[in-house]
Amino acid sequence: SQQGEEDPQALSIQEGENATMNCSYKTSINNLQWYRQNSGRGLVHLILIRSNEREKHSGRLRVTLDTSKKSSSLLITASRAADTASYFCATVSYSGAGSYQLTFGKGTKLSVIP
Amino acid sequence: EPEVTQTPSHQVTQMGQEVILRCVPISNHLYFYWYRQILGQKVEFLVSFYNNEISEKSEIFDDQFSVERPDGSNFTLKIRSTKLEDSAMYFCASSGQGNSGNTIYFGEGSWLTVV
Repeated sequence: SQQGEEDPQALSIQEGENATMNCSYKTSINNLQWYRQNSGRGLVHLILIRSNEREKHSGRLRVTLDTSKKSSSLLITASRAADTASYFCATVSYSGAGSYQLTFGKGTKLSVIP
Repeated sequence: EPEVTQTPSHQVTQMGQEVILRCVPISNHLYFYWYRQILGQKVEFLVSFYNNEISEKSEIFDDQFSVERPDGSNFTLKIRSTKLEDSAMYFCASSGQGNSGNTIYFGEGSWLTVV
């Protein structure tokens, strides 16, 4: 699999339920970021977790990072219909010569049914 | 909240034409990027730019592409002699101090349709 692979590819839940999306990666990272994208729109930054952090919270979002397993998860609690979107994880790695690169996965398409 | 702005939001162009996509990064940011997303596919890195020069580019970013920061606020992507496969959403992004720990902010994107 490629760097930053999310699963599931698609997730459909009822409003009020929790949604969990996972991301796996292959190379060492400096940090990992989660983004949200509404259909045909831009990428909205949700949360950044550094490689020395294990868990981070922001409102209804909870992100975990396990560098030993090279995986991260994004939990959205008490989901709302407005959370319907695609969610991407993006790994940040040092690519040499003072340059870092953000590499995206294919995303999880979340549908929250009212 | 400061944001990255991109114009145009949508452009249709004929194959072989040149296209310029414009971006205004967040004002105090130093690092600028272009990414693209072909419909239904993942977001792909094109190029990063710092201190008025390209710091890194991907295999996609061949001689057909160029970037420029013509003044203190704009950051442009030029695509020469467009091909059908250049049809995609192009995202501009900026960050304060490189990707090492700072958030990368994306614009809303420019839809390019090559016909």
